[in-house]
Parts: sequence; structure tokens; C-alpha cells
Amino acid sequence: DGGITQSPKYLFRKEGQNVTLSCEQNLNHDAMYWYRQDPGQGLRLIYYSQIVNDFQKGDIAEGYSVSREKKESFPLTVTSAQKNPTAFYLCATGGRTQYSNQPQHFGDGTRLSIL
Amino acid sequence: GNSVTQMEGPVTLSEEAFLTINCTYTATGYPSLFWYVQYPGEGLQLLLKATKADDKGSNKGFEATYRKETTSFHLEKGSVQVSDSAVYFCALSVPGGSYIPTFGRGTSLIVHP
Repeated sequence: DGGITQSPKYLFRKEGQNVTLSCEQNLNHDAMYWYRQDPGQGLRLIYYSQIVNDFQKGDIAEGYSVSREKKESFPLTVTSAQKNPTAFYLCATGGRTQYSNQPQHFGDGTRLSIL
Repeated sequence: GNSVTQMEGPVTLSEEAFLTINCTYTATGYPSLFWYVQYPGEGLQLLLKATKADDKGSNKGFEATYRKETTSFHLEKGSVQVSDSAVYFCALSVPGGSYIPTFGRGTSLIVHP
């Protein structure tokens, strides 16, 4: 089945550690996104990528990094510079920019906590 | 810029009650409008959408009509079930540009038996 796979489902980070969240898609979508969701909050955009080897910062990129080496994959690294990483992280995909009437598709999320 | 405003939750209802979750928007151009649903511990799923004025989106008993004159896209359901308990997000996207959707803050719905 076509979809988005996020892993792991739960992740724990130690002080000073970088951790990487995986996002893989087989929907053949060009655009991929990372969002952060805090309890009772909406979605905040961390990074997005519209094509391979290109990505842009979202509203809260500080303390995060990404890469887009393959169309199917868009991993997110939460660096030690992100002092408050505890949150639910959602990966999403979408079609080309002119197809604004198409919805985003979301993975099931990764819950990151500090040890 | 673009923005989406949703009514604050939680909305608490008894089973079989009528549901309305208000959503209003501001946007440049002619946006497409969406409702997404998020069940506990999961990602968002598209519930319904409308791409032009007066369109009605519907799915699973939920409906919303694109009202350009009032810039609204209110979500309604005639008879809610316990299984409808979730968080509902209203969103818009505008043609061209970077295609970054704008989301509302979400409205939590709790349905009691």
C-alpha cells in the first residue's frame, strides 16, 4: 500500500545527543515536510523540501537539520542545540506546487522525549 | 498573509448530538480548504475538502461548505458517535508559491456515550 512510514514510533534523547527521525514515502510525491506538534498546540513547520537536494527552513528550524538525497526519504535530525525537543513529530508529503487543491498526507508520527 | 481561525475546544457532546466546529480564514487568492482529523497517537488524515466557492465537501457523515462571502468552512455532523472523538484541523492552501498549507490550531472533540 502507498503511504508514509515514520520510525521509530517512540524515541528518547539523552543530554547533548543528536537523534535522527526517519521518514520514507512511496507515494511518489515531490514535496515533503516536517512538523512539530506540542500538546494542545497546532502544527508548526520545521523544514520542507520540494525537490531532491533542496530544502527550506520553516518557522522553527533552529536546532534541527534535514537532508533530501532521495525522493523517497526526508530524515530529520534533532540536534543538541534544540533545548526543548520533547514533542510529537509529523512527516507529511504533497504534490507539486501548482496542485494546491491536493491535500497533504501524513505519517503516524514519532514521539520524542528527553531521558 | 494567510490565516485560519478555529473555535477553541474542547467541544464536549453526548452521543447523537449535532456537531458544529467553526472555521474562518483569510487568504490571498482563491484557496482550497480542508478538514483533517487526528485520532490519539496518530497523524492527520484528510476528512474532506472543497476547492471553490459553494462547494460542499462530505465524508463519513461530516460536511462543510466553502462560503466565500463569509470566508468560512464550518464542519458539521448531524449525529456524532463516541468514535468521532478526535482533534479536527481546518486548513487552506493557495495556488502557486511554495504550497505551504496554513493550519488552524485544532479543535478537540470529546463525545460521551
